[in-house]
Amino acid sequence: DAGITQSPRYKITETGRQVTLMCHQTWSHSYMFWYRQDLGHGLRLIYYSAAADITDKGEVPDGYVVSRSKTENFPLTLESATRSQTSVYFCASRGDGQETQYFGPGTRLLVL
Amino acid sequence: KQEVTQIPAALSVPEGENLVLNCSFTDSAIYNLQWFRQDPGKGLTSLLLIQSSQREQTSGRLNASLDKSSGRSTLYIAASQPGDSATYLCAVRRVNNNAGNMLTFGGGTRLMVKP
Repeated sequence: DAGITQSPRYKITETGRQVTLMCHQTWSHSYMFWYRQDLGHGLRLIYYSAAADITDKGEVPDGYVVSRSKTENFPLTLESATRSQTSVYFCASRGDGQETQYFGPGTRLLVL
Repeated sequence: KQEVTQIPAALSVPEGENLVLNCSFTDSAIYNLQWFRQDPGKGLTSLLLIQSSQREQTSGRLNASLDKSSGRSTLYIAASQPGDSATYLCAVRRVNNNAGNMLTFGGGTRLMVKP
């Protein structure tokens, strides 16, 4: 499918478990982003990547790990999930020199 | 630190009404401002982007204005329709931002247009 996709769309896990959220885009966009959306906080940037093998922290990076071995994929890993990481996670991408970010459909994560 | 506020948090209007959504930001040193639409259970869709040098942008029934000096933007929706029901978010990009255009989002306005 063309565009930006996320998997899984829904995930329930337990405290302490490792969870990986996947993001895939077909446009060969240079930049990719991970946000979390919470009531009362809006969307906040977790990590971003300017190109393959280049990643950097956003506003709320603690407890998360990212990698970008290929341009089209940008997985987000919660190494030891906590209840405070219950949220809706959005991946986004944009082309180099462009301003508009394109968002995936989101992953709803519940940590019990 | 940039803070973005949207008022009201929720709005319900009858179909056909013209309406204005408000967005304010604390740091006027912005590169651009974007308005997004978010449908329930879906991702965000970009509606309009206003560069800091621009005063407004229009797309169909939507018009967004920007007053950088006062830290305000408005999204005007003309002749509202039930299909406009969604959450509308504004986001600003700071001038000196090395985070690949890191955006700071407002909390959104949840709009319901009643038939």
